[in-house]
Amino acid sequence: EAEVAQSPRYKITEKSQAVAFWCDPISGHATLYWYRQILGQGPELLVQFQDESVVDDSQLPKDRFSAERLKGVDSTLKIQPAELGDSAMYLCASSLWTGSSPLHFGNGTRLTVT
Amino acid sequence: KQEVTQIPAALSVPEGENLVLNCSFTDSAIYNLQWFRQDPGKGLTSLLLIQSSQREQTSGRLNASLDKSSGRSTLYIAASQPGDSATYLCAVISGNTGKLIFGQGTTLQVKP
Repeated sequence: EAEVAQSPRYKITEKSQAVAFWCDPISGHATLYWYRQILGQGPELLVQFQDESVVDDSQLPKDRFSAERLKGVDSTLKIQPAELGDSAMYLCASSLWTGSSPLHFGNGTRLTVT
Repeated sequence: KQEVTQIPAALSVPEGENLVLNCSFTDSAIYNLQWFRQDPGKGLTSLLLIQSSQREQTSGRLNASLDKSSGRSTLYIAASQPGDSATYLCAVISGNTGKLIFGQGTTLQVKP
């Protein structure tokens, strides 16, 4: 079964450093999501793409976070500079289309900021 | 603003017991509701998706129901096994952007 690929699996960085995460959705999935999950809580949407366009980035801290999906396939999420409060699991998900199509998640990137 | 609540936050049962996990949401105008399983330190695995026009979905020992009018969903697990131990999350899609809004999850422990 096709999967959403994410890398790296784990990342430890010092505060004020830059960090980047990569996601490759399931082939043919037009919609891509980045979620952040703090330990013990449910995931919260950071940004949603439809093909290469941003559909929703209302919860993305734009002063330090950026996301792109230049060719409408894989995507990169960047944090610069990282803060202690950014320590969390960053999950990527994709779906065939927006709305009633189920979401498929990758295994996530566990970020620790020291 | 859509809010999703899951009760209880944690549940411990002996192996073989049937159990029900609860999920409630504040805005009944949803497109669908999805139940996920999350093992420690891992991503989310989709278990069941119920479209807004459906009342329930079944997969093996799992049965999920949806009552839009009351803003509730339940996940029924039959004959629980230690391998079912995980966190179970429900999430709803409301509005036309496909934004999935999650509850905080119920952490289930099934004791041998």
